[in-house]
Amino acid sequence: EAGVTQFPSHSVIEKGQTVTLRCDPISGHDNLYWYRRVMGKEIKFLLHFVKESKQDESGMPNNRFLAERTGGTYSTLKVQPAELEDSGVYFCASSRGPGGNSPLHFGNGTRLTVT
Amino acid sequence: DAKTTQPPSMDCAEGRAANLPCNHSTISGNEYVYWYRQIHSQGPQYIIHGLKNNETNEMASLIITEDRKSSTLILPHATLRDTAVYYCIVRVFGSSNTGKLIFGQGTTLQVKP
Repeated sequence: EAGVTQFPSHSVIEKGQTVTLRCDPISGHDNLYWYRRVMGKEIKFLLHFVKESKQDESGMPNNRFLAERTGGTYSTLKVQPAELEDSGVYFCASSRGPGGNSPLHFGNGTRLTVT
Repeated sequence: DAKTTQPPSMDCAEGRAANLPCNHSTISGNEYVYWYRQIHSQGPQYIIHGLKNNETNEMASLIITEDRKSSTLILPHATLRDTAVYYCIVRVFGSSNTGKLIFGQGTTLQVKP
């Protein structure tokens, strides 16, 4: 089966611009997660979708970040307006279920650079 | 905060078994132990997980102590391609039943020729 795919793999934008990241989960996986790693820090949870519903948004840093998952398939993460501290790698993961016995599978991430 | 403690780094000779320890003394009865690794700038790669019993798959073995307060990931025959950061994670379920993974610093495993 195809893995989690993320697009673009790299994005370089100027401060104040808008960027939209896309994640396509593994087919049949209702659970979709966004994570990010900023320079020198640990990988941090951002939010969790179950189908099209946001189950947990506790990791979203501020209201400049907007995640959507219309139709419960692919998801987008929009940053508007981007700030320098938003630079980092954004990972998406999916799992079949939220239960402890259902592993998350990660994509290779989008590397975002804000200049 | 991560519920696990790992050594920051370890070395292993190529072809030998790599044994990566992890402490999770505050783990709850229904929380799973997961292991992931990250090679260079790739996304975290799932390795194995377990609840109480020892587990084995094509990549590794997971040994969980009887009191579940610690575990060991075993790579039976380490290769240079196993050089990576290894994360031991206790999967937490809060009121939202998110089941999110909380990453710590991990162990940087260096496999040497």
